[in-house]
Amino acid sequence: EVQLLESGGGLVQPGGSLRLSCAASGFTTYAMTWVRQAPGKGLDWVSAISSNGGSTFYADSVKGRFTISRDISKNMLYLQMNSLRVEDTAVYYCARSQGWGDLDYWGQGTLVTVSS
Amino acid sequence: DIVMTQSPDSLAVSLGERATINCKSSQTVLYSSSNKNYLAWYQQRPGQPPNLLMSWASTRESGVPDRFSGSGSGTDFTLTISSLQAEDVAVYYCQQYYTTPWTFGQGTKVEIK
Repeated sequence: EVQLLESGGGLVQPGGSLRLSCAASGFTTYAMTWVRQAPGKGLDWVSAISSNGGSTFYADSVKGRFTISRDISKNMLYLQMNSLRVEDTAVYYCARSQGWGDLDYWGQGTLVTVSS
Repeated sequence: DIVMTQSPDSLAVSLGERATINCKSSQTVLYSSSNKNYLAWYQQRPGQPPNLLMSWASTRESGVPDRFSGSGSGTDFTLTISSLQAEDVAVYYCQQYYTTPWTFGQGTKVEIK
């Protein structure tokens, strides 16, 4: 059974950092994605990483501040978030890319709140 | 960036009636060499993560009821629920994965009339 479990969210001050983790089970070697959803708002793609970790992609809004990575041996996905802004407040979902960008499995999400 | 625009923003449909959601992309998401549209549809029920309904614009995912269908090509797409059921109350999103940044429509909220 495919499962994705995010962790690492919480309250952080503007300018602070957080590292999100996503523990994957039931599969290996798929491209993975982070998508966020601000409270009461729509879906916002954040970042993606290829199956071998060799290629990474970012939304302009997070480029230079966020870093996606993965540990294939542990089946873990990460999102290092630096220089956080109030507008980064959202539930962050990790999702599996079925083929390329079609996301067939999603975690339950972890809430990141950026506030002073 | 490719902008995805859905219409309407919300709709109320009687149980058993048809619901139609439109999605328009600001540029084509049809990859000519494969003749595939890089377009997905998701359903998000309240308090839940999104659920993939369709990929490649019209390929229904395993377990998705056949009352859901997707159509369209190039820049104009439609998600149809042929006979609305109570469990279909949700927000529906289209998404292009033709090129990064992958982008979502703003969502269409479907309710029971």
